[in-house]
Amino acid sequence: DGGITQSPKYLFRKEGQNVTLSCEQNLNHDAMYWYRQDPGQGLRLIYYSQIVNDFQKGDIAEGYSVSREKKESFPLTVTSAQKNPTAFYLCASSNRGAGYEQYFGPGTRLTVT
Amino acid sequence: AQKVTQAQTEISVVEKEDVTLDCVYETRDTTYYLFWYKQPPSGELVFLIRRNSFDEQNEISGRYSWNFQKSTSSFNFTITASQVVDSAVYFCALSEGAGGATNKLIFGTGTLLAVQP
Repeated sequence: DGGITQSPKYLFRKEGQNVTLSCEQNLNHDAMYWYRQDPGQGLRLIYYSQIVNDFQKGDIAEGYSVSREKKESFPLTVTSAQKNPTAFYLCASSNRGAGYEQYFGPGTRLTVT
Repeated sequence: AQKVTQAQTEISVVEKEDVTLDCVYETRDTTYYLFWYKQPPSGELVFLIRRNSFDEQNEISGRYSWNFQKSTSSFNFTITASQVVDSAVYFCALSEGAGGATNKLIFGTGTLLAVQP
């Protein structure tokens, strides 16, 4: 089945540790995105990539890093510099260019204590 | 600046009632796109519809309908004869249009719809 997978569904980490969230898609989409969702809020864009080996910061990139070495994969690292990392993280992909709908993965709920 | 406002934080209806979710947007672009997504309790966002700024024709898909009015910068979503399975958070989103090679989405804060049996 075509789609986006994120793993794991739930992730627990101690404060001060870096953690990497996985996102894989087999939709042959050029563009991929990472969003953060906090309770009662909309989604906020962390990073996005329109093509392999290229990515741009979104609205809340501080404390996060990404890589795009393969078209299918766009992992997100939450670093210890992120002050409030506990949140629900959603990965999405779309065709490249304006106006295409984005398709989302099931999300990873990260809890840092 | 681009902005999406969903003023209704929570709506509760009884099954079979009709319900309208409001969405008001702000943009300086003449070409833009509007979207609705559904987020059930599982968490994954499900794409429902996309509209571009040049197409004001209303759309109906089964029990779902959308009313796009540029004059009031609104893109409202109506569910007819609601069902318990419609219970979810619904997000309206906006993306910039032509000339922008990106597809960044600006989301509203969402409306939680609870349909009671």
